[in-house]
Amino acid sequence: KAGVTQTPRYLIKTRGQQVTLSCSPISGHRSVSWYQQTPGQGLQFLFEYFSETQRNKGNFPGRFSGRQFSNSRSEMNVSTLELGDSALYLCASSLVRDRQNIQYFGAGTRLSVL
Amino acid sequence: AQSVTQLGSHVSVSEGALVLLRCNYSSSVPPYLFWYVQYPNQGLQLLLKYTSAATLVKGINGFEAEFKKSETSFHLTKPSAHMSDAAEYFCAVSSSSASKIIFGSGTRLSIRP
Repeated sequence: KAGVTQTPRYLIKTRGQQVTLSCSPISGHRSVSWYQQTPGQGLQFLFEYFSETQRNKGNFPGRFSGRQFSNSRSEMNVSTLELGDSALYLCASSLVRDRQNIQYFGAGTRLSVL
Repeated sequence: AQSVTQLGSHVSVSEGALVLLRCNYSSSVPPYLFWYVQYPNQGLQLLLKYTSAATLVKGINGFEAEFKKSETSFHLTKPSAHMSDAAEYFCAVSSSSASKIIFGSGTRLSIRP
């Protein structure tokens, strides 16, 4: 069974631009969560989608948004990029029926904002 | 509310020595606890999980962790460190009523030859 796939792996943008990151969950997983990882702040929860609906949201500004499609694939969008948005963005999927809430992570997208 | 505290941002041990990474949690409901490992330029990989069954949990790569409710701890151990264990380790907490996981700040494990 294929794991969580995130594309692209690396991305370079400039301030003010917008970016879209993609995540394909493990087949059968309906929940997708997004995290931002930086050296200073560690792993911070962005949001979680389940059945195309945002179920949880972290403390990030409205520039960060996401969506989930009917096939459970998810996209995350960041508008008006700032230097501080440079980070590794991780996507995780989980089998909702599994109440243990084990999350399986992709390799991440490393975003550099210049 | 739930939270996780990892004691020590960096731990260094000699190859063959005991590995001990400390994690304390706070949770108002029975917790699910996890340890994840992250190798450079990779995502997080689940090492082991505690979900209210046995308090001593065995994971992959020879790691294990013991849930101690009285101490609100879930420390990760390995009897003998290998060079390949060098990575960043994250402790995390969740619950059956929560759909998100709270991660600790991570502990970077270095192995000395």
